[in-house]
Amino acid sequence: QSALTQPASVSGSPGQSITISCTGTSSDIGGYNYVSWYQQHPGKVPKLMIYEVSNRPSGVSNRFSGSKSGNAASLTISGLQAEDEADYYCNSYTSSSTYVFGTGTKVTVL
Amino acid sequence: EVQLVESGGGLVQPGRSLRLSCTASGFTFGDYAMNWVRQAPGKGLEWVGFIRSKAYGETTEYAASVKGRFTISRDDSKSIVYLQMNSLKTEDTAVYYCTRLEWEYKWWGQGTLVTVSS
Repeated sequence: QSALTQPASVSGSPGQSITISCTGTSSDIGGYNYVSWYQQHPGKVPKLMIYEVSNRPSGVSNRFSGSKSGNAASLTISGLQAEDEADYYCNSYTSSSTYVFGTGTKVTVL
Repeated sequence: EVQLVESGGGLVQPGRSLRLSCTASGFTFGDYAMNWVRQAPGKGLEWVGFIRSKAYGETTEYAASVKGRFTISRDDSKSIVYLQMNSLKTEDTAVYYCTRLEWEYKWWGQGTLVTVSS
């Protein structure tokens, strides 16, 4: 199972919106609504930001939203803030009953 | 509150074995599948494998990179999930996290570092 494809980096100015893409196949993202997104600050434990494509856990800002179309998923951060600077990873369940992470995206707030 | 605490990491030579433990508290451990994720130094997250609950036969699934070398087991009486790692390779060097699995990973331990080096 190959890793899901994410852009290596995405940047934006404070207040702007950015979108991180996550591209897979019909055997993972395209086949299931079990796509989740994780935020990881340097040296910290990953944090769940979005689950089941578009659901936010309690306590996660509504500036974070998720969606899916075909074999690709996206995470959008609106009203970008300095604290959003971190690495972001997508994850999907697969047809082999396994999971796969994305390659990771570094978000920089300019 | 859900807590997951990994232990057992350390320095090990290539080809040797190591067993990690993850002790859980704050929830009914036996009701949940448990999962392992690793992160090599400076690299991204990699899914390692998971074990289903007793209700689902305690069956396991593994990433291709560890299948046949790693084994996940659980002791519901102690609320512990194990990761037995055999035939370790230098590329297994990573921080290993355990997570509770509910299609996604909301709860994570703090991780334990495994270094495979001669």
